[in-house]
Amino acid sequence: ILNVEQSPQSLHVQEGDSTNFTCSFPSSNFYALHWYRWETAKSPEALFVMTLNGDEKKKGRISATLNTKEGYSYLYIKGSQPEDSATYLCASWGLSGGYQKVTFGTGTKLQVIP
Amino acid sequence: NAGVTQTPKFQVLKTGQSMTLQCAQDMNHEYMSWYRQDPGMGLRLIHYSVGAGITDQGEVPNGYNVSRSTTEDFPLRLLSAAPSQTSVYFCASSYSARYEQYFGPGTRLTVT
Repeated sequence: ILNVEQSPQSLHVQEGDSTNFTCSFPSSNFYALHWYRWETAKSPEALFVMTLNGDEKKKGRISATLNTKEGYSYLYIKGSQPEDSATYLCASWGLSGGYQKVTFGTGTKLQVIP
Repeated sequence: NAGVTQTPKFQVLKTGQSMTLQCAQDMNHEYMSWYRQDPGMGLRLIHYSVGAGITDQGEVPNGYNVSRSTTEDFPLRLLSAAPSQTSVYFCASSYSARYEQYFGPGTRLTVT
């Protein structure tokens, strides 16, 4: 995988449903993986920063896991609420020319239906 | 603590004009970056800086220049605006890749 890919592109779920998204990234020269939440007309806000294979992070009803060997991360939302409606971006950081360089995925747009 | 600030919020340029988008942060972050957001393409890295005096190209650097003379400021210069540069531009900063990025409010640029 050369690019950072997110799936699905969009998702509609009912309030109370649990859901998950996938981020696939290059496993070579891996440095860190970020997840961001981006609401319409606002700026992206960080959810998680993960660096180690097997990392698991949790913030309220949202959690994420990281597999650096196979190059993927999952974001889980338990009991989705309408306020969870947003685009969720992942960003893969790698080492390039001695510097840390980032590539964002195109995001998963989540709509939670009340 | 203002975080990351960007000016202007909106700008309309004619093809061929030049301008500078300003970005400043007051968190003493070493890493700063510029992104453009286009429909269906997420955020694409234009240029980034790992500290004062050190900049490098991102994914889509053509038509843009940057410099970093201070830790706080990271301006983005459009040398000769083209309609393809119509986009929303975000500046972000962080201590490093192992820390979250903080984003500015964005600048919506239209080139006619």
